[in-house]
Amino acid sequence: SAVISQKPSRDICQRGTSLTIQCQVDSQVTMMFWYRQQPGQSLTLIATANQGSEATYESGFVIDKFPISRPNLTFSTLTVSNMSPEDSSIYLCSVGEGANSPLHFGNGTRLTVT
Amino acid sequence: AQSVSQHNHHVILSEAASLELGCNYSYGGTVNLFWYVQYPGQHLQLLLKYFSGDPLVKGIKGFEAEFIKSKFSFNLRKPSVQWSDTAEYFCAVNAPSGGYQKVTFGTGTKLQVIP
Repeated sequence: SAVISQKPSRDICQRGTSLTIQCQVDSQVTMMFWYRQQPGQSLTLIATANQGSEATYESGFVIDKFPISRPNLTFSTLTVSNMSPEDSSIYLCSVGEGANSPLHFGNGTRLTVT
Repeated sequence: AQSVSQHNHHVILSEAASLELGCNYSYGGTVNLFWYVQYPGQHLQLLLKYFSGDPLVKGIKGFEAEFIKSKFSFNLRKPSVQWSDTAEYFCAVNAPSGGYQKVTFGTGTKLQVIP
């Protein structure tokens, strides 16, 4: 399975600032996704990162708050903009090879906003 | 829209006890079903998956799950747990129609195995 590296692994940020999380995969993958796991809750899909086009966002998530880039088939970034304490969460990059394949996850980025 | 319910939030078992974690999903069409595990300090890993065929699927480390379509369930089982099974377990569902891979996760079950 693909090896997924996420950076940073954790960060503490001040309210109002932005953080960009990087996701690097060791092989070309069709689909890349960004999830959020808030304390005590399950994983929630933020968006699907599409190569060469805009990301597809899930209900409740918007591009202005979570801009995503995917310049090629092995790399994506998620930016958490104008952060507030409610954005404190684990952000996870995951990859898949189509509807009938499982997802594989990176180690996640633990974000704390003060 | 698809949804997943995990009934047990926190389970504590002694070593060698049997395990069954409940998972029910809500979706009327064809689904793919997964169990993921997250060991302390590690990333999410696939434990087992069901796409089609035999409804009883076997995964790694002696885990198995049974898909019961009439009950919309995909419960995870292990006959005898070990201390190393202490982890958080997530059930997930994906409706593959149209090729879109949107995986919905349950809220997770924390399993604590006492030596």
